[in-house]
Amino acid sequence: DQQVKQNSPSLSVQEGRISILNCDYTNSMFDYFLWYKKYPAEGPTFLISISSIKDKNEDGRFTVFLNKSAKHLSLHIVPSQPGDSAVYFCAASEGGGTSYGKLTFGQGTILTVHP
Amino acid sequence: KAGVTQTPRYLIKTRGQQVTLSCSPISGHRSVSWYQQTPGQGLQFLFEYFSETQRNKGNFPGRFSGRQFSNSRSEMNVSTLELGDSALYLCASSPAGRVDYGYTFGSGTRLTVV
Repeated sequence: DQQVKQNSPSLSVQEGRISILNCDYTNSMFDYFLWYKKYPAEGPTFLISISSIKDKNEDGRFTVFLNKSAKHLSLHIVPSQPGDSAVYFCAASEGGGTSYGKLTFGQGTILTVHP
Repeated sequence: KAGVTQTPRYLIKTRGQQVTLSCSPISGHRSVSWYQQTPGQGLQFLFEYFSETQRNKGNFPGRFSGRQFSNSRSEMNVSTLELGDSALYLCASSPAGRVDYGYTFGSGTRLTVV
């Protein structure tokens, strides 16, 4: 039972354009969501997060949107740069202060930004 | 500030053997979590340790175990290795294991079972 789903295995965009990565979840108990970026042979690197009490969070070129009623979140990267090419993982946590290290990850989306 | 250090980076073991992986968290962090990444199952949570106590555990068989030392360094052990245990094993360091405090991942240990 996959509780966090990233239905697009890959996404290709042109440099300077917007990249939109999507993520759906099924567990209503999830109350915190994160996006990680991962390069081959490296661990995931934290990008941005959002609490379920918000619907938007921005950090520089990265914005995450949360639609709780649809159980959907998205990551917008504007403008996209070739260095953004990596695998992007959506992750979710439940229990706030009692999450105790547990994140539930999606399968990842490979983003390729062409110069 | 040093990051999360995992050793070794690569490991090749034979079916039936056991293996121990090590993770040194960021200085001051007391929580260490372990994850397994495989092409088929993705990133899956194994367990979390805080102040030498296991506080949370994922759905993995008892062959997977761990421990944490007083200096917060953690080890995970896999006994009676199976081919399906071939994976990238990642550990994540956190001040207290709360998601809103952030988790920082190491580069992982690539385990190959032959």
